[in-house]
Amino acid sequence: QKEVEQNSGPLSVPEGAIASLNCTYSDRVSQSFFWYRQYSGKSPELIMSIYSNGDKEDGRFTAQLNKASQYVSLLIRDSQPSDSATYLCAALAGSNQFYFGTGTSLTVIP
Amino acid sequence: DADVTQTPRNRITKTGKRIMLECSQTKGHDRMYWYRQDPGLGLRLIYYSFDVKDINKGEISDGYSVSRQAQAKFSLSLESAIPNQTALYFCATSDPGSTDTQYFGPGTRLTVL
Repeated sequence: QKEVEQNSGPLSVPEGAIASLNCTYSDRVSQSFFWYRQYSGKSPELIMSIYSNGDKEDGRFTAQLNKASQYVSLLIRDSQPSDSATYLCAALAGSNQFYFGTGTSLTVIP
Repeated sequence: DADVTQTPRNRITKTGKRIMLECSQTKGHDRMYWYRQDPGLGLRLIYYSFDVKDINKGEISDGYSVSRQAQAKFSLSLESAIPNQTALYFCATSDPGSTDTQYFGPGTRLTVL
């Protein structure tokens, strides 16, 4: 199993809907978890970080961490066309290496 | 000015050539990283450095070398470039004293013919 795995999509949602992005991780990464957004041709930028079980909300974004099931998710409420991008899940291992998933492509349809 | 800069932004080279990609940062972070990104494979770690005297191999270090010239500068070299090193390369920094967030440079698109 890879350290971090994501469904590559593509995922399409209508404007105003909730977009749900999921990520699973292995035992080799268990510390901190991150969601990055990457527009085509641009560098990744951090959306949210989460370190403990439960939900963390920031505006329209909610990150969820379930350590027992080893998954992290990102919910985007009231999706906007500007949210169309690739979303990367990342995790920090005990070795202080970051591992990234392959990314999920999201398209928000006006 | 950008906090993390990379030069060059684009480079086309031939098989067998030596290439150096440079990264500079003004964030004052000790930790710096080099990644490559390929379609369908995501970001993969090549090398990382926690300070000037600490260099570590990542997942895919074969064919690459690095130099940490100063806290602010971290260079990636391809001693003899090959076509499968064609990719988008990102430099990143992080500060473990805060949230471990990684801050990425704008990327270098490298094409090896």
